[in-house]
Amino acid sequence: SQTIHQWPATLVQPVGSPLSLECTVEGTSNPNLYWYRQAAGRGLQLLFYSVGIGQISSEVPQNLSASRPQDRQFILSSKKLLLSDSGFYLCAWGGQGLQPQHFGDGTRLSIL
Amino acid sequence: GQQLNQSPQSMFIQEGEDVSMNCTSSSIFNTWLWYKQDPGEGPVLLIALYKAGELTSNGRLTAQFGITRKDSFLNISASIPSDVGIYFCAGPLGYYGGSQGNLIFGKGTKLSVKP
Repeated sequence: SQTIHQWPATLVQPVGSPLSLECTVEGTSNPNLYWYRQAAGRGLQLLFYSVGIGQISSEVPQNLSASRPQDRQFILSSKKLLLSDSGFYLCAWGGQGLQPQHFGDGTRLSIL
Repeated sequence: GQQLNQSPQSMFIQEGEDVSMNCTSSSIFNTWLWYKQDPGEGPVLLIALYKAGELTSNGRLTAQFGITRKDSFLNISASIPSDVGIYFCAGPLGYYGGSQGNLIFGKGTKLSVKP
């Protein structure tokens, strides 16, 4: 069966520091991968999606970037974090077309 | 553009009561998905609906794909404390979802259950 792993579960970072959040999927090949941000426990904002290695689409211009160095690995990064980057970050995988997406357990990011 | 309007925004109910929530759109959807998010965790898929008029159950949960294709309903019978969480509806962005499979989500219904 397919599983998705995100780490770390929680992260506290100072303003201006770099960020790297990792997501890996097992049990499937060539999945679509997604990064979402959720503020205040409500509303999912799609940040990035990827349909294949090295293919990244950005939905919202921001201080973040994403990369997909391997088929089942999706990384969310920032060179310099802002206070507004705080939130709950979720990774998801899904198939094409009308297939549901399945989410990881998320990373709670707090910026001080 | 496509939007999903989910209501109610929040519900406070007594344990044992039934719950109803719905999701509406101004455009047609080919798929309706219902997710539940427990506090501090990622959303978990509850029910997927693929056909207009379809009624699908998952334990005490029942979801329906509206006949107009512009709405969907989720009912929870005999609520228990572990039903607490946020329930999201979702559907594919664009008519067929596209190869990227992007979804549009409702803003969620927050359910609180009093023991």
